[in-house]
Amino acid sequence: ELKVEQNPLFLSMQEGKNYTIYCNYSTTSDRLYWYRQDPGKSLESLFVLLSNGAVKQEGRLMASLDTKARLSTLHITAAVHDLSATYFCAVAYMDSNYQLIWGAGTKLIIKP
Amino acid sequence: NAGVTQTPKFQVLKTGQSMTLQCAQDMNHNSMYWYRQDPGMGLRLIYYSASEGTTDKGEVPNGYNVSRLNKREFSLRLESAAPSQTSVYFCAIRRGINQPQHFGDGTRLSIL
Repeated sequence: ELKVEQNPLFLSMQEGKNYTIYCNYSTTSDRLYWYRQDPGKSLESLFVLLSNGAVKQEGRLMASLDTKARLSTLHITAAVHDLSATYFCAVAYMDSNYQLIWGAGTKLIIKP
Repeated sequence: NAGVTQTPKFQVLKTGQSMTLQCAQDMNHNSMYWYRQDPGMGLRLIYYSASEGTTDKGEVPNGYNVSRLNKREFSLRLESAAPSQTSVYFCAIRRGINQPQHFGDGTRLSIL
């Protein structure tokens, strides 16, 4: 059974600081997705990571994937208030093109 | 969200009532999904449909039925609503192999 764990589940940080969110998963997978959700809103896709060593960057966010360690990280550089949101990782079953298992989410609050 | 339309946006039901949540896409994609989102638990897959006329159970299918009568629409039915089904329900589509799932705006359902 595929399980996905994110940590931390809650993070409060100051603007300008750097931090990393971790996503661990329990069985082999080669596809991992990061999403953002603002309060009361839908989910927005941030990154798609498809292979070991994949790294994607968009603005102050950078995501990476280590399939051997079954670990993905979402790194925030010089955080700004607009990045306050809940961030989810989702991992695909290896034998299925259809099913994703989701982490519980990391609620990120960035204070001015 | 452009491309995936969910109706209604809000609904309050009494225990034992039935209702159908509607989801329609305008992008002609094969794969469609129904999730529920509860606080602190991320998203859990209820049912999915890989193509018109086919449906499969996800992680939490009990108490729900689905229908995919055509490529465009995928509906979720609660036959006898229970308070435990109070949640936010999201419909999603998958645009292609390895592409991220794209979500509708959600239906906020309360069962009293």
